[in-house]
Amino acid sequence: KAGVTQTPRYLIKTRGQQVTLSCSPISGHRSVSWYQQTPGQGLQFLFEYFSETQRNKGNFPGRFSGRQFSNSRSEMNVSTLELGDSALYLCASSLGFGGPYEQYFGPGTRLTVT
Amino acid sequence: AQSVTQLDSQVPVFEEAPVELRCNYSSSVSVYLFWYVQYPNQGLQLLLKYLSGSTLVKGINGFEAEFNKSQTSFHLRKPSVHISDTAEYFCAVRGTNAGKSTFGDGTTLTVKP
Repeated sequence: KAGVTQTPRYLIKTRGQQVTLSCSPISGHRSVSWYQQTPGQGLQFLFEYFSETQRNKGNFPGRFSGRQFSNSRSEMNVSTLELGDSALYLCASSLGFGGPYEQYFGPGTRLTVT
Repeated sequence: AQSVTQLDSQVPVFEEAPVELRCNYSSSVSVYLFWYVQYPNQGLQLLLKYLSGSTLVKGINGFEAEFNKSQTSFHLRKPSVHISDTAEYFCAVRGTNAGKSTFGDGTTLTVKP
C-alpha cells in the first residue's frame, strides 16, 4: 500500500506570494492533518479534515487555509507569504477521526520564503 | 487541552549502551500516547503507541515505552542502541475523542561509536 505523498517536496517562494501544497493520504484513510515544523516552534498543528469537513484548527492566522476533496486528498494554501512561513509542512493521514487511529506522516514539503 | 514535555533536548550515548528518553504529559481527558522518530529530511515514523491495556508497549527497532498514569509519563527505552538510532524522537499525546496530536519539542539522540 502506498504511503502518504506530498507534493511538491521543495518549494521556494518570494514574500507576498501565495502557495498551495498537496497531500494524498493512504488509500482508505479519510482523515488528513497538517503540521508546521520549524526549529524554533517545533511541530505545530495547523488543521485537520475528515470527510471534507474541517474538524480542528490550530492557532494560525487566516492566511493559512485548507480543504479536503471527496477522494480525501487535501490541499493547504498560504497567502501573502512571510519570511516566518519558511518551514517543513507535514501531512498525516489516518483511518478515522478521534478514536485509536494511528497517524501516518508524509515526507513533508520544505517551503523556503525569500 | 494537552501539553507534552520532553525533559531532555539532547541525549548523547555510546553504541550498545542503554538509553531512556523521557516524556511527561498533562491532560484533563483520557489520552492516547505515541512516540515517533524523524530522520533528517524525512517525515515522522511511528515507533510505538499506547492506546489502552498493558502499560508496557513494544515498538519497532527494539524500542519500548511504559505508560505511568500516576506520574503522567511515557518514557521511551532501548536496552542497546545502534549508530542507526541517531535521529530526533518526538513524544505525542492525543485526546481519545480528538483528532489532533500535541507534540513535544523533540529529543535529539546521538549514538557515538
